Amino acid sequence: GAGVSQSPSNKVTEKGKDVELRCDPISGHTALYWYRQSLGQGLEFLIYFQGNSAPDKSGLPSDRFSAERTGGSVSTLTIQRTQQEDSAVYLCASKGPGGNTIYFGEGSWLTVV
Amino acid sequence: DQQVKQNSPSLSVQEGRISILNCDYTNSMFDYFLWYKKYPAEGPTFLISISSIKDKNEDGRFTVFLNKSAKHLSLHIVPSQPGDSAVYFCAASPSDSWGKFQFGAGTQVVVTP
Repeated sequence: GAGVSQSPSNKVTEKGKDVELRCDPISGHTALYWYRQSLGQGLEFLIYFQGNSAPDKSGLPSDRFSAERTGGSVSTLTIQRTQQEDSAVYLCASKGPGGNTIYFGEGSWLTVV
Repeated sequence: DQQVKQNSPSLSVQEGRISILNCDYTNSMFDYFLWYKKYPAEGPTFLISISSIKDKNEDGRFTVFLNKSAKHLSLHIVPSQPGDSAVYFCAASPSDSWGKFQFGAGTQVVVTP
C-alpha cells in the first residue's frame, strides 16, 4: 500500500482479555517499529524488526507484550491479559532499505476498561 | 531513562513570528536526528532531519540546528502559520543501533492568529 496501515483503528477491551494489533508496512520496507503513546506522554519505543535479524525487544514493558513479523512484512503486536495502564495509542512505523526516515501509521487506539 | 528530552511541553506563538522548539539528548552515540509533527488522532509525520556531520539543515520554513558539543538541537519555524499548530517530537538514532529511534515527549505548539 501507499502508507503504513494499522488495524483496528480503535479497540475497547475488558481488563484481562488479550488483544492483537496489526501493522501492514509500506511495501518494500525492511524495518518495522512499534511505539506507543500513553495520554500526555511521548512516543515509547517497544520493538524493532530489521529484515531477517532477531528483533530488538528491549522496549517491551512486560512479558505480556509480544510481537511477530511474518514473511518480513505484516506484524502483529499481542498484549495478553490487558491492564488499564496498557491503554494508549499503539503506533507502527516502517523504514525502507537505506532510508533514514521512518513513516508512521495512523495508530491503533486501545482502551482497556 | 529518557535519553531525548523536550523540556517545554507547550509553546504559544503569534502567526507570522518564529517558533523555536528545543531538544536535548544525553547519548553521545546519537548521530541522526529527526523532527516529526503530529495532529490529534493522526500518526506523526516526518518534517526534517539532520545528521551529525552537519550543524544546520533547512527545508522551506523549517530549519533544524544541531549543536553536538551541547547535545542540543532546535527546530525553527519561520514564519509560523495556524496550520503549524500541532505536537512536535524530536527523535534520535544512535550509530551503534541504527534505526532504533528514541523520541522526546513532544512540544505542543499553538499558533494564534
